Amino acid sequence: DAGVTQSPTHLIKTRGQQVTLRCSPKSGHDTVSWYQQALGQGPQFIFQYYEEEERQRGNFPDRFSGHQFPNYSSELNVNALLLGDSALYLCASSLGQGPGEQYFGPGTRLTVT
Amino acid sequence: GNSVTQMEGPVTLSEEAFLTINCTYTATGYPSLFWYVQYPGEGLQLLLKATKADDKGSNKGFEATYRKETTSFHLEKGSVQVSDSAVYFCALKANTGFQKLVFGTGTRLLVSP
Repeated sequence: DAGVTQSPTHLIKTRGQQVTLRCSPKSGHDTVSWYQQALGQGPQFIFQYYEEEERQRGNFPDRFSGHQFPNYSSELNVNALLLGDSALYLCASSLGQGPGEQYFGPGTRLTVT
Repeated sequence: GNSVTQMEGPVTLSEEAFLTINCTYTATGYPSLFWYVQYPGEGLQLLLKATKADDKGSNKGFEATYRKETTSFHLEKGSVQVSDSAVYFCALKANTGFQKLVFGTGTRLLVSP
């Protein structure tokens, strides 16, 4: 049973560029949440996708956007990168919108120079 | 809003010592409570959870009890091992409305032989 997978593992971008991160949920899961974890901090919620729509959003600017595909996989896009966007980006999957557990992927380490 | 406060680290222990990592929360209603562990270079793994007051979550020798009266969910282990060295995150999720995870800032545990 494949768990949550994310790609790429590491990424280096320059300020002002755009980046796309990808996530495949655990088999049987249909909901994907994205979190940003800055160095030395706890993860912060970015947004959640369910039924191909953004359902809820944390306190992140519009530069952060996403998408969910019919196979439940998801992308996180960040435009006009800032140095402060350097972080570990974590994807978590779950089943439906209920109180079920969220399973996390290994993350994508984004470095903005 | 909902929040989680953890004791600051690092917590440095010798192998076989007793571990306590304090966690308190602020939330409306009755959230579910979680402990996640993050090993170096990896994503988050769910360690244990509790969904209602007085529940005790346990896994791999770790335990935590949901204390509504003190709004706490302290993590304990009777005898730590070197392999327990990691960062531990306390988190909550509301059981009504939108159910994102809210994390503490994490506590680094270092266990020496």
